Amino acid sequence: GQSLEQPSEVTAVEGAIVQINCTYQTSGFYGLSWYQQHDGGAPTFLSYNGLDGLEETGRFSSFLSRSDSYGYLLLQELQMKDSASYFCAATDSWGKLQFGAGTQVVVTP
Amino acid sequence: GAVVSQHPSWVICKSGTSVKIECRSLDFQATTMFWYRQFPKQSLMLMATSNEGSKATYEQGVEKDKFLINHASLTLSTLTVTSAHPEDSSFYICSAKGDLLPEAFFGQGTRLTVV
Repeated sequence: GQSLEQPSEVTAVEGAIVQINCTYQTSGFYGLSWYQQHDGGAPTFLSYNGLDGLEETGRFSSFLSRSDSYGYLLLQELQMKDSASYFCAATDSWGKLQFGAGTQVVVTP
Repeated sequence: GAVVSQHPSWVICKSGTSVKIECRSLDFQATTMFWYRQFPKQSLMLMATSNEGSKATYEQGVEKDKFLINHASLTLSTLTVTSAHPEDSSFYICSAKGDLLPEAFFGQGTRLTVV
């Protein structure tokens, strides 16, 4: 079946670096997206990888390896406001997103 | 980034009534819109995909007669939850994609509570 696997929770201190891994098994894979969601809010787009390699956007970077069906989101210089759920999502050519279960990131002082 | 507006942001309705949720793309033409449902502490589950001017495509297990989707224009899609029941209480989120954009953008979501 189709699935995306990511850790359920990660805890780190302010200023640290966190890497959230995502492995996927989906049909019609086009790219991997990452979304952030705070409690009670809607998902916010963070990053998209359509090609293998690293995409850097400020403190957040995302990586994709199609041959390994693997990607990760890297959060650097963690801040308290980064405490949220992070979802990887496989995109098909139509823009349809299939989401992983989400990783709860807890940032401690 | 592109802006998608979803309305209402929250709604409480009585069991047995119908609720309509609107999703608008404000600064781009959304050829495709997606509707998701998210239960507390769970991930987003795709309910259906709608393309402007054609019938929506529903995911397995989603009742098309209960969740009516209309995508009448390139900027507006609506989801109507008919004969709502307490188990339909959830967070409903739309996303919209244009032809020139590689990613889809989300609306703010609608929290539906059926009492």
